[in-house]
Amino acid sequence: GNSVTQMEGPVTLSEEAFLTINCTYTATGYPSLFWYVQYPGEGLQLLLKATKADDKGSNKGFEATYRKETTSFHLEKGSVQVSDSAVYFCAQTHNNAGNMLTFGGGTRLMVKP
Amino acid sequence: DAGVIQSPRHEVTEMGQEVTLRCKPISGHDYLFWYRQTMMRGLELLIYFNNNVPIDDSGMPEDRFSAKMPNASFSTLKIQPSEPRDSAVYFCASSLGGPISYEQYFGPGTRLTVT
Repeated sequence: GNSVTQMEGPVTLSEEAFLTINCTYTATGYPSLFWYVQYPGEGLQLLLKATKADDKGSNKGFEATYRKETTSFHLEKGSVQVSDSAVYFCAQTHNNAGNMLTFGGGTRLMVKP
Repeated sequence: DAGVIQSPRHEVTEMGQEVTLRCKPISGHDYLFWYRQTMMRGLELLIYFNNNVPIDDSGMPEDRFSAKMPNASFSTLKIQPSEPRDSAVYFCASSLGGPISYEQYFGPGTRLTVT
């Protein structure tokens, strides 16, 4: 099947703390993997992506590595800021319809000053 | 370069009324997607088009919902008649399509409230 599982939130951190948001996928083969971010009142924005095993996507200090052996794509950031407070969605391309994306349930991150 | 454009940004209507949501995808994108987001159900794909043709509408909740894409630069999602349970944020997204690029670009959404 096609499903993406994310850790449930909210995740609450202090500014400059280390962030990890776990994401695992179930697609067979080699799906493309994405992290999207949604700020309050806005649509989803692409944060980073990886298209093959061992690829590392990175943007704005966030990173995620495509791990085929553990079917994971965990999001990390070394030092979060208050402005990173948002909802983060992990997504994969669909097995049978590559142009569709399967999204995880989203993880809300709250960063306190 | 303009992103995906949606209108209106907010819509408040009474139960039983017809609602039409509009979307202009990014120029040159061949795929257009309509999603619905609620607290209870999260992000749901309603329907998507490829080159203006509906490919998968299995996510459309019921016959009250319909979507059209008369040309490459415009799509509508219509709800008739609307019900309070249709209250949600509706997003439109577009993409170039594989193998060039699978990432989708989202509009700002239309917040629909049905009273």
